[in-house]
Amino acid sequence: GAVVSQHPSRVICKSGTSVKIECRSLDFQATTMFWYRQFPKQSLMLMATSNEGSKATYEQGVEKDKFLINHASLTLSTLTVTSAHPEDSSFYICSARGTGKNTGELFFGEGSRLTVL
Amino acid sequence: AQSVTQLDSHVSVSEGTPVLLRCNYSSSYSPSLFWYVQHPNKGLQLLLKYTSAATLVKGINGFEAEFKKSETSFHLTKPSAHMSDAAEYFCVVVLPHNFNKFYFGSGTKLNVKP
Repeated sequence: GAVVSQHPSRVICKSGTSVKIECRSLDFQATTMFWYRQFPKQSLMLMATSNEGSKATYEQGVEKDKFLINHASLTLSTLTVTSAHPEDSSFYICSARGTGKNTGELFFGEGSRLTVL
Repeated sequence: AQSVTQLDSHVSVSEGTPVLLRCNYSSSYSPSLFWYVQHPNKGLQLLLKYTSAATLVKGINGFEAEFKKSETSFHLTKPSAHMSDAAEYFCVVVLPHNFNKFYFGSGTKLNVKP
């Protein structure tokens, strides 16, 4: 199957700083990528849909200015948590929709554990 | 409305015994259905998918699932659990008219006892 790489896997930052998480589709082009947040022992919560070359579509209740998404190329989407606070600490996961024979399938990154001190 | 229900938040089995993880969906359309597995602090890995072909779907690591339209179910099974199967399992539904909308179940944590 297709491979999605997410970086960094873990990041610790001070309150008030910004953190960028990258999501790359390694062997296919992804016009659409998704960003999720997962709280402990809970399911994935869709934050936004990232579309290459256009603005991201955010789910209700997700602050666009807080969680900046950029999808500048067909293989890279980034999530920037701006002015991070301890309540932003979470596990963030990206996914990309497959193409060709993998159309309709989601491929997930390994996730990024963000800890804000 | 459409939703996915995973009936059990936790399932515990002994190694070598069968596994059954239940998933029911509600949809007015014929959905695509997936099972994903997540190990601690990892992303999700696809186990298997149903996309309107054979109703009995075989996946990786010995898992399989059967799509039963009359019961609106897509339960995940494995004949014999292995210690490495201990993880969180998610049932996911995708509707045919919107491949961008993936509906995640709440997850079932599988514990395998030696």
